[in-house]
Amino acid sequence: QSVLTQPASVSGAPGQSITISCTGTSSDVGGYDYVSWYRQHPDKAPKLIIYDVSNRPSGVSDRFSGSKSGNAASLTISGLQAEDEADYYCTSYTSTNTVIFGGGTKLTVL
Amino acid sequence: QLQLQESGPGLVKPSETLTLTCSVSGGSIRSSSHYWGWIRQPPGKGLEWMGSMFHSGSAYYNPSLTSRVTIFVDMSKSQFSLKLTSVTAADTAIYYCVRQSWMWWFDPWGQGTLVTVSS
Repeated sequence: QSVLTQPASVSGAPGQSITISCTGTSSDVGGYDYVSWYRQHPDKAPKLIIYDVSNRPSGVSDRFSGSKSGNAASLTISGLQAEDEADYYCTSYTSTNTVIFGGGTKLTVL
Repeated sequence: QLQLQESGPGLVKPSETLTLTCSVSGGSIRSSSHYWGWIRQPPGKGLEWMGSMFHSGSAYYNPSLTSRVTIFVDMSKSQFSLKLTSVTAADTAIYYCVRQSWMWWFDPWGQGTLVTVSS
């Protein structure tokens, strides 16, 4: 299975906004609204931050938002904080009843 | 609040079978709205979905692992397990158990357990 394409790294200063892209195909990201995003701090389990493209679970800050256009999804984090420094992964349901992950993006808060 | 906890061997020899168990607490494993699954992460690398199973027995597996992986649910013990056969060094990873929604997102996650394949 191929992985979804994410930038290896992004960075931003505190207070700024950043966007992480997640590119797939019409058989996954483009074909379904089942894109989710996870944040993983070092040596911790990943945590769900966005599901169904743009929905936030209870307790997740509204600084996190998700969107999708065509075969690409995006995660935007506004008002960057030091605690946002982590790895971020996207996932998508696929046409073969499986799930694929993005390769992960390391966010550095400058 | 639902919690998941993995258990199993930290070290497995090449060619052997790895079995991990996930204990579910604070909620029902008989949920009609969720699957139960496993995701792994080799040290320093990304995440890989291995498969998911509904309590009734229907299951979906990663095509790259389908010949070696089985997930099964024990409702009497509120546990579900992963069996991975013929392991190699490439199977060395942190293994996470997860609850999966019908819409294919994962929440919550267990804390993860490191499995090393080595002789």
